[in-house]
Amino acid sequence: GAVVSQHPSRVICKSGTSVKIECRSLDFQATTMFWYRQFPKQSLMLMATSNEGSKATYEQGVEKDKFLINHASLTLSTLTVTSAHPEDSSFYICSASPRPGYTFGSGTRLTVV
Amino acid sequence: EDKVVQSPLSLVVHEGDTVTLNCSYEVTNFRSLLWYKQEKKAPTFLFMLTSSGIEKKSGRLSSILDKKELFSILNITATQTGDSAVYLCAVEGSNDYKLSFGAGTTVTVRA
Repeated sequence: GAVVSQHPSRVICKSGTSVKIECRSLDFQATTMFWYRQFPKQSLMLMATSNEGSKATYEQGVEKDKFLINHASLTLSTLTVTSAHPEDSSFYICSASPRPGYTFGSGTRLTVV
Repeated sequence: EDKVVQSPLSLVVHEGDTVTLNCSYEVTNFRSLLWYKQEKKAPTFLFMLTSSGIEKKSGRLSSILDKKELFSILNITATQTGDSAVYLCAVEGSNDYKLSFGAGTTVTVRA
């Protein structure tokens, strides 16, 4: 089946620094990937749709200058949290699939101190 | 805006019990409804439902969709402690591939 690899699984960074999270489709090509955020005891909230070779589409309320998305190839999308603040601490998950919605990455637990 | 409501928000049962989880939805141009199980990390896929009245089964889990009344149920029979998790319902519209998730139902199975 489709496998999505996400790295790192856990990261701790200082306020004001930037963090890059990678999402790779290992055995298929993904023209579209999705980035979600999940706060403790809450459900997944879609942040943006990452489109290969073009700009990402952000959901309402998500700052595109803060959450930079790059989808330069058919197997890799990256999410960079810029100038991170403690309120950005969350669980970030990507999704990609030949059939969107089926496969999620393992998630990245970001803690900003 | 698509809307997904799950109930109950949480429940506690004993091993061997049967649980029924509910998911109601409002979506523009419905494409599919999906159920996921989430333990400590990312959700794992359980079922995708597109047609009304056709039950999908996988072991002790089963699910069915009612597109007229806009809801789905997920049943777990003979529950085990390993079934303890958050169960998420999501709907997909046909205009794009985006998923809208419900808040989830936390199931705790006690030995």
